[in-house]
Amino acid sequence: DAKTTQPPSMDCAEGRAANLPCNHSTISGNEYVYWYRQIHSQGPQYIIHGLKNNETNEMASLIITEDRKSSTLILPHATLRDTAVYYCIVRVPNSNSGYALNFGKGTSLLVTP
Amino acid sequence: NAGVMQNPRHLVRRRGQEARLRCSPMKGHSHVYWYRQLPEEGLKFMVYLQKENIIDESGMPKERFSAEFPKEGPSILRIQQVVRGDSAAYFCASSPLFGLAETQYFGPGTRLLVL
Repeated sequence: DAKTTQPPSMDCAEGRAANLPCNHSTISGNEYVYWYRQIHSQGPQYIIHGLKNNETNEMASLIITEDRKSSTLILPHATLRDTAVYYCIVRVPNSNSGYALNFGKGTSLLVTP
Repeated sequence: NAGVMQNPRHLVRRRGQEARLRCSPMKGHSHVYWYRQLPEEGLKFMVYLQKENIIDESGMPKERFSAEFPKEGPSILRIQQVVRGDSAAYFCASSPLFGLAETQYFGPGTRLLVL
């Protein structure tokens, strides 16, 4: 799986959009970008995933650059409950090597009042 | 639809005892994964199981650790003769039959403390 690079920490004011970047410059054509988050002491929570098109669901939006070497997770209106560690993971699903999620260090997002 | 369930949520053992961690996957999910999170570290893959089969246990310590996912009942992660270094959070995830871009959904974890 391609390696990812994320900033170790970010701050965001409550109510504002949180934009979390991820670099994956060695991503291959069949690797998807997944985002998970882990709120303190809880199990990781799936957020969103995509291959090359931008994706949106009830939690967030995922913007993937045209060359697929980087992506941004957007939480449109951050709340205090969004304070968590966010993990960007690239993998090939349904493959013999893609089932083990490599969580790395992630970005610790602090949402402040 | 209930999510992934794990029990116990907290487990305290003395050195040398056995720890049994249970995981019930989401309804309809037949793939189970176990991950370990040591204090102040990220999650690390341990083992991947399907019903009655271990598919990949490359992340499991070579000794004292074993996992199973029987035809009936929950998946079990068993740690024999626990040591203090086994103290960690153990998370189970499940996914449905392989489909396009299958996703793993995690349980709340079991916090193991070895005294």
